[in-house]
Amino acid sequence: EAGVAQSPRYKIIEKRQSVAFWCNPISGHATLYWYQQILGQGPKLLIQFQNNGVVDDSQLPKDRFSAERLKGVDSTLKIQPAKLEDSAVYLCASSYGTGITEAFFGQGTRLTVV
Amino acid sequence: QKEVEQNSGPLSVPEGAIASLNCTYSDRGSQSFFWYRQYSGKSPELIMFIYSNGDKEDGRFTAQLNKASQYVSLLIRDSQPSDSATYLCAVNIDLAGNQFYFGTGTSLTVIP
Repeated sequence: EAGVAQSPRYKIIEKRQSVAFWCNPISGHATLYWYQQILGQGPKLLIQFQNNGVVDDSQLPKDRFSAERLKGVDSTLKIQPAKLEDSAVYLCASSYGTGITEAFFGQGTRLTVV
Repeated sequence: QKEVEQNSGPLSVPEGAIASLNCTYSDRGSQSFFWYRQYSGKSPELIMFIYSNGDKEDGRFTAQLNKASQYVSLLIRDSQPSDSATYLCAVNIDLAGNQFYFGTGTSLTVIP
């Protein structure tokens, strides 16, 4: 079974630039999550999709972050404009979406804003 | 409020000893509880989950849950140097929606 795919693995941008991350979840997983993990901290949930609908985006800084999941499969997370404090690893995860089930994580995208 | 608290450590134990990792959560509606291991520079990977009060054992790992005290723990028996990692406690707030909230993690070092 293929895992959660993310790209790119690494990205370095200057502040005020824009950046986009892509995620392809495990086939058949209805729920997709984007987490932000700052060095030394636990993953922070940014947004959760159930199929192509948003379940929770309460911690997403909507003035600069946006995310979409078209057709209920792939998802993109965008930051525009980036700030220094956005430097973090952005993790995508997916789960079956019902019942007691774990979240499977991709390898993450390490973003450095300079 | 969806808070998950862990002692950030670092926790150091000698090889062969028992490592005890603790986690408390604030949302009484929390349904299930997960322990993830994260090696440096890697993604979190699931160790085990628990949803009923009491103990659940899986090999060298035992998860303990006390919903009345809003407390979950992970015991690692016969600790090995390969267990050195950060251990993340995650709480599933909504069984229907599967919303996972993570603690800050506890860094464990097993000393050979």
